[in-house]
Amino acid sequence: GAVVSQHPSRVICKSGTSVKIECRSLDFQATTMFWYRQFPKQSLMLMATSNEGSKATYEQGVEKDKFLINHASLTLSTLTVTSAHPEDSSFYICSARSRDSVETQYFGPGTRLLVL
Amino acid sequence: GEDVEQSLFLSVREGDSSVINCTYTDSSSTYLYWYKQEPGAGLQLLTYIFSNMDMKQDQRLTVLLNKKDKHLSLRIADTQTGDSAIYFCAEGLSGNTPLVFGKGTRLSVIA
Repeated sequence: GAVVSQHPSRVICKSGTSVKIECRSLDFQATTMFWYRQFPKQSLMLMATSNEGSKATYEQGVEKDKFLINHASLTLSTLTVTSAHPEDSSFYICSARSRDSVETQYFGPGTRLLVL
Repeated sequence: GEDVEQSLFLSVREGDSSVINCTYTDSSSTYLYWYKQEPGAGLQLLTYIFSNMDMKQDQRLTVLLNKKDKHLSLRIADTQTGDSAIYFCAEGLSGNTPLVFGKGTRLSVIA
């Protein structure tokens, strides 16, 4: 099956710093990538939809200046949490839809962010 | 609006069959999905079914779709301890629209 990677898998940072999370589709081209946030024992909350070469579409309540998304190529999308605070601590998961198989969506392994 | 409902917990004995149920509201959904999430990991696509199908079987997994009742189920035959995880049901259209996920069913397999 298709593989999506995320880097880093785990990050601990101080409050006020910015953290960049990378999402890569390793063996397919993804025209669309999605960023989710998951709180402990809860479902996934969609943060934004990222289309290659265009601005991301953010869900209601998600601050676009806080969570910067860049989808510069068909295999890479990045999420930057700017000026992170402890309440931003969460599990961030990306997913990607293949250009050739739009019915399937593959998920990365997730990035656990802890802001101290 | 769109909504996907699942029961939160299911406990079965090893070797028994597990049936995880899901209901959804968007009748225009083109595809329905089952994902598996193990602790600390991302979501693994288990299987999906096109909305014009009634059933899909893949080894130990059987998906049943009742489109009239907007009901989807996942049956795992001969459930093993390695099947313990959270199972998410999701609905969606093709293209660039995001999937809508249920809250997940935590499956516990008792040896």
